[in-house]
Amino acid sequence: KAGVTQTPRYLIKTRGQQVTLSCSPISGHRSVSWYQQTPGQGLQFLFEYFSETQRNKGNFPGRFSGRQFSNSRSEMNVSTLELGDSALYLCASSLFEGGTDTQYFGPGTRLTVL
Amino acid sequence: AQSVTQPDIHITVSEGASLELRCNYSYGATPYLFWYVQSPGQGLQLLLKYFSGDTLVQGIKGFEAEFKRSQSSFNLRKPSVHWSDAAEYFCGQGDSNTGKLIFGQGTTLQVKP
Repeated sequence: KAGVTQTPRYLIKTRGQQVTLSCSPISGHRSVSWYQQTPGQGLQFLFEYFSETQRNKGNFPGRFSGRQFSNSRSEMNVSTLELGDSALYLCASSLFEGGTDTQYFGPGTRLTVL
Repeated sequence: AQSVTQPDIHITVSEGASLELRCNYSYGATPYLFWYVQSPGQGLQLLLKYFSGDTLVQGIKGFEAEFKRSQSSFNLRKPSVHWSDAAEYFCGQGDSNTGKLIFGQGTTLQVKP
C-alpha cells in the first residue's frame, strides 16, 4: 500500500498570507491527524478528522483549521501567517487496532514564514 | 495531564555498541505506547508499539522495547547499533479517549564510527 502523502513538501510564505496543506491517507484509513513540529515545542497535536468530522482538537488558535473530504483526504489551512508558524507540519492516518489508533506519518510539509 | 518524558536529549554511541533510549510515561492504567524514528527532513516512521500482552515487543530494524509498569517506562533497545540508526527517536503515548499521540521531546542519536 502507498503511504501517507503530503503536498507540497516545501512552502515559503510571508506574514499575513494564508496557506493550505494537503494530506492523502493510506488507503482504507479513515482518520487523519495533523501535528506541528518545531524545535522549541516539539510535536504538538493540531486536530483529528474522522469521516469528515473534526473529532479532536489541540490547543491552537482559530487561525488553524482543517477539513476532511469524503475520500478521507484532508487539508489544513493557516490564515494570517505569523513567523512562529514556521514548522514542519505532519499528517498521520490511523488504523484502529487493539483499542487505540496506530498512526502512520507522512513526510511532512516544511512551512517557512518570512 | 498526560506527559511523556525522554530524559536524554542527545546520546552518542559507537557503531556496534548496544543502545538503550529511555522513556517514561505519566498516565494510564493501560498505556498505548509507541516508538517512532525520524531522519532529518523526514516524517516519523513507526518502530514498534505496545498495547497489551507480552511486555517485550519487537519492532523493525532490530529494535525492541520493554514495558515496565512498575517503573512507568518503555525503553527502546538495540543490541548493535549501525551508522544508519543515527536519527531522532520519539516515544509517544496514545490518549485512549481522544486517540491523539502525546510525544516526548525526542532523543537524538549520534553514531560514532
